[in-house]
Amino acid sequence: DVKVTQSSRYLVKRTGEKVFLECVQDMDHENMFWYRQDPGLGLRLIYFSYDVKMKEKGDIPEGYSVSREKKERFSLILESASTNQTSMYLCASSSPYGGGYEQYFGPGTRLTVT
Amino acid sequence: TQLLEQSPQFLSIQEGENLTVYCNSSSVFSSLQWYRQEPGEGPVLLVTVVTGGEVKKLKRLTFQFGDARKDSSLHITAAQPGDTGLYLCAGDGRRTGTDKLIFGTGTRLQVFP
Repeated sequence: DVKVTQSSRYLVKRTGEKVFLECVQDMDHENMFWYRQDPGLGLRLIYFSYDVKMKEKGDIPEGYSVSREKKERFSLILESASTNQTSMYLCASSSPYGGGYEQYFGPGTRLTVT
Repeated sequence: TQLLEQSPQFLSIQEGENLTVYCNSSSVFSSLQWYRQEPGEGPVLLVTVVTGGEVKKLKRLTFQFGDARKDSSLHITAAQPGDTGLYLCAGDGRRTGTDKLIFGTGTRLQVFP
């Protein structure tokens, strides 16, 4: 079974703090993704990566950065957290091989910025 | 912009009822996935459909991919409280030049005992 883990299930941070969200997958997947999920807005892609040290902007990259130093680990960084970044953050991984394009998600990190 | 619209947005039914959720787009997709997400958890992949007209069954759940690969449906027979959750469809946009998954707007299902 594919396992994607995220470093925290719940996180409370203050405005202006630097926040690190960590994601690790154990299936040797090439692709990794960070989404945020908000009521009424669905899942929105923040950043994704197809390989180590490689990153691509998603639909809403402003205010975020990412790091992928190892294949299994993809970190999302909020350089200076703001209240509008309060959200559920979901990490996913996938392999581009095979007939489909399935993504496997972690349990999510619910971040509250006060 | 590629959009995947799901209907209905919300569905509340009694245990034992049947239901169908729809996922529609004007774009063609190489494949389409269905996920279920329970409160406080990440989405879990249920199925992938690849071929136009394909039908896949997963116990009481039946998934169909439209002939033109632009739409899909999920039918649940004799719904159970354990089916409660947010159902998301997602299209693989490679045929239209993107490697990203395009997620639908979601259908929130509540099954009462």
